[in-house]
Amino acid sequence: GAVVSQHPSRVICKSGTSVKIECRSLDFQATTMFWYRQFPKQSLMLMATSNEGSKATYEQGVEKDKFLINHASLTLSTLTVTSAHPEDSSFYICSAQGLNTEAFFGQGTRLTVV
Amino acid sequence: QQQVKQSPQSLIVQKGGISIINCAYENTAFDYFPWYQQFPGKGPALLIAIRPDVSEKKEGRFTISFNKSAKQFSLHIMDSQPGDSATYFCAASKGNTGKLIFGQGTTLQVKP
Repeated sequence: GAVVSQHPSRVICKSGTSVKIECRSLDFQATTMFWYRQFPKQSLMLMATSNEGSKATYEQGVEKDKFLINHASLTLSTLTVTSAHPEDSSFYICSAQGLNTEAFFGQGTRLTVV
Repeated sequence: QQQVKQSPQSLIVQKGGISIINCAYENTAFDYFPWYQQFPGKGPALLIAIRPDVSEKKEGRFTISFNKSAKQFSLHIMDSQPGDSATYFCAASKGNTGKLIFGQGTTLQVKP
């Protein structure tokens, strides 16, 4: 299958700071990328969908000003958690989809806000 | 509103046994039903997927059974191995989109 790389795999940040997570499709062009959040022992919940060159579409209840998504190229999307708080601590996972392909998941980023 | 309901929440199976996980969906517009395997601290990996035009799909030890009228689908893992111990998620989407609605997950433990 195609490879989606997420970076960093783990990050610890102080409360009130911002942190950026990168999602890259390494061997295909991702026209659409998806960002999910997973709390411990829970399922994946879709946060937002982004298409290259367009504004992201956020799911109900997800603050777009807190979770900034940029999809500036066909191989890179970034999620920035702004003014992070301990309740934002979670496992963030991206997936990337090309034209007429399934979506492939990254390995996830464990965010801990202290 | 939980659009995809998964059961059981946890499952213990002896090595060599059959693991069965069930999912039910509500939205009849869903037309893509994948199963994912997730190990702790890792992203989910696609195991097998099915579309509503077939009732069963088999890949190696993994089989999906699909019942369109009942809006249910299940994953069967034959000859379960300790290495299969992981969390399994069913999901559903509509159209050719990677926008997936996940079930709640099943933690499988295969005892040696």
